[in-house]
Amino acid sequence: QKEVEQDPGPLSVPEGAIVSLNCTYSNSAFQYFMWYRQYSRKGPELLMYTYSSGNKEDGRFTAQVDKSSKYISLFIRDSQPSDSATYLCAMSLAGGYNKLIFGAGTRLAVHP
Amino acid sequence: GAVVSQHPSWVICKSGTSVKIECRSLDFQATTMFWYRQFPKQSLMLMATSNEGSKATYEQGVEKDKFLINHASLTLSTLTVTSAHPEDSSFYICSAEPSTGTNYNEQFFGPGTRLTVL
Repeated sequence: QKEVEQDPGPLSVPEGAIVSLNCTYSNSAFQYFMWYRQYSRKGPELLMYTYSSGNKEDGRFTAQVDKSSKYISLFIRDSQPSDSATYLCAMSLAGGYNKLIFGAGTRLAVHP
Repeated sequence: GAVVSQHPSWVICKSGTSVKIECRSLDFQATTMFWYRQFPKQSLMLMATSNEGSKATYEQGVEKDKFLINHASLTLSTLTVTSAHPEDSSFYICSAEPSTGTNYNEQFFGPGTRLTVL
C-alpha cells in the first residue's frame, strides 16, 4: 500500500464547475499537508498548505484536512480553463526536516 | 521571491556520456535541496537530499555513483548523471528549502530539466 493515494484521473469539468480533489494516506504521523499545481513540463508550484486538521481558504481554493479519516481535499470554485493542470498532494511529518511524500497527481481539464 | 532555476531546461546526450544539471536558489539561501525524478504522467520520486557542505542522502534504490550530487554553496546544487543510458531519460526536478523563515519544510521547485539519452 502506498503511503499516499491519489486518483490520477483524468478529471474533466466544464468551466465554472466546483472541482473536488482528494488524497488519502496511511501514516497518522503526517502533520503538514500541501497541494501543488503542476503545468505540463513545468515544476510544481505550491498552492496551499495546512498544518494538522482544519480548513484553509485562499481565493477560489479551499484545502481541508481530516486527520481522523486520513483524508485531505482541495476544492476549486468557479474553475477556469487556466486551472487545467496536474494537482499533487504532498505531506510530511512534523519537526525539523522531513521529506515530502507525494501522491500520484490528478490531471484536471477544465473545458470552456 | 523564492525562485529556483535549473539549467539546462532540456538536454539530449549520447549514451555513455555524463550530464550535469544545475539547481540555483536565486533570492534565498537553501541549506537543503532535493532532487526528484518524474516519469511521464507519474508523480515525483525523491532521489536524494542534498545538504550544503556535506554528502547527499540517497533514497533506497538510487545509485549514488551514477547520480552524483554536489551542494557546494547555499544557492547551488548540481546533479551529474554519469555514463547516461536511455533508461535515465526522464524529467529531473530540484527543489530548495529556505534556510530560514518557515516552520515547515516548504520547498520551492525549479522548472525541471528534461533529459533524453540517445
